[in-house]
Amino acid sequence: GENVEQHPSTLSVQEGDSAVIKCTYSDSASNYFPWYKQELGKGPQLIIDIRSNVGEKKDQRIAVTLNKTAKHFSLHITETQPEDSAVYFCAARLNSGGYQKVTFGTGTKLQVIP
Amino acid sequence: DSGVTQTPKHLITATGQRVTLRCSPRSGDLSVYWYQQSLDQGLQFLIQYYNGEERAKGNILERFSAQQFPDLHSELNLSSLELGDSALYFCASSLVWTSTDTQYFGPGTRLTVL
Repeated sequence: GENVEQHPSTLSVQEGDSAVIKCTYSDSASNYFPWYKQELGKGPQLIIDIRSNVGEKKDQRIAVTLNKTAKHFSLHITETQPEDSAVYFCAARLNSGGYQKVTFGTGTKLQVIP
Repeated sequence: DSGVTQTPKHLITATGQRVTLRCSPRSGDLSVYWYQQSLDQGLQFLIQYYNGEERAKGNILERFSAQQFPDLHSELNLSSLELGDSALYFCASSLVWTSTDTQYFGPGTRLTVL
């Protein structure tokens, strides 16, 4: 089955700096890669996603890049702010035999230091 | 606010008991997904329903079952509870069922088994 590895598990950055979180996946049939932000006591919230036919997507301070050949994708947050502090999860999803399979990374705890 | 509602917010019960978690999807969404989040296992996909029918199965134990009703709300039933079942249980919904469909997560139910 699909295996998603996420690094680093924790990340501390100074406010205003950039943060990068990386994920690798194993199943080349995966075709959709969402990123979620989870704040304490809340459910995961979709922040950005990318489909396998796209190499990069940007939404204000957040960008995601996908390298299908290497089977890895990354989340980039620029000009970090204290409110960006949260746990971030990547995921890989695919359709297999009409069934959807989703696998999450293990999460990255991001701390933005004011 | 994702538009997905879950009840109850917290649930404390004893080993061997049975509980039911409830989820109402976003208005217009036909698919409901259930996830378990624990400290040692991360975010695990349990099961998906689409328009009342089971669509995909993940790491769901035989002691657990779910259903989606005609009004599209869903219930997750956990029986013969064990200490290890203590976790956050999230429901998510999406418009249809394809792998590129955006999933919106509810706030979760925190289950504590004593």
